[in-house]
Amino acid sequence: GQNIDQPTEMTATEGAIVQINCTYQTSGFNGLFWYQQHAGEAPTFLSYNVLDGLEEKGRFSSFLSRSKGYSYLLLKELQMKDSASYLCAVSSDSNYQLIWGAGTKLIIKP
Amino acid sequence: DVKVTQSSRYLVKRTGEKVFLECVQDMDHENMFWYRQDPGLGLRLIYFSYDVKMKEKGDIPEGYSVSREKKERFSLILESASTNQTSMYLCASIAPGSSYNEQFFGPGTRLTVL
Repeated sequence: GQNIDQPTEMTATEGAIVQINCTYQTSGFNGLFWYQQHAGEAPTFLSYNVLDGLEEKGRFSSFLSRSKGYSYLLLKELQMKDSASYLCAVSSDSNYQLIWGAGTKLIIKP
Repeated sequence: DVKVTQSSRYLVKRTGEKVFLECVQDMDHENMFWYRQDPGLGLRLIYFSYDVKMKEKGDIPEGYSVSREKKERFSLILESASTNQTSMYLCASIAPGSSYNEQFFGPGTRLTVL
């Protein structure tokens, strides 16, 4: 079957760094997405990885290892507004469908 | 800016009612999706459409149908609402020419079936 795993909840301190992991097992791979979702709101796109390595975008970075079926989202200089759920999703074929993880709820403490 | 809108943010219906959820995008998107989101389960695909009058079943189509009569509008229909369809419903679309084919989401409709 196809499966995406990520921790249910994480807690971090304002100003610190946090790494949210995602492992996946899918029949194919056309890229991995990270989305941010604040409580009661729609998910918004954060990053996309299709090749191995690190993609940096401001305070957020995303890493991919296709051989290990593994990705992480790294958030630096955490701010209170980063409190949200972070969703990992994989595109496993060419028809734009995504397989979604259940999301990681990130709690930021002052 | 890409804009995806949904007809209602909150909706309360009774068991057995027919429910229409509408999604409209303003950027000539071809691919549109309906998901439901429940705690601990992530987003689950109900139906998607890649063109007008075209539709494909997702992972959980039972109890739902869809309509795509115009390119900008994708409707989700609950023929006879049941309490287990209480959920957050999210519509998404993909903008042509987007860098990564990322999905843009509407604000969601929180449906409660009593």
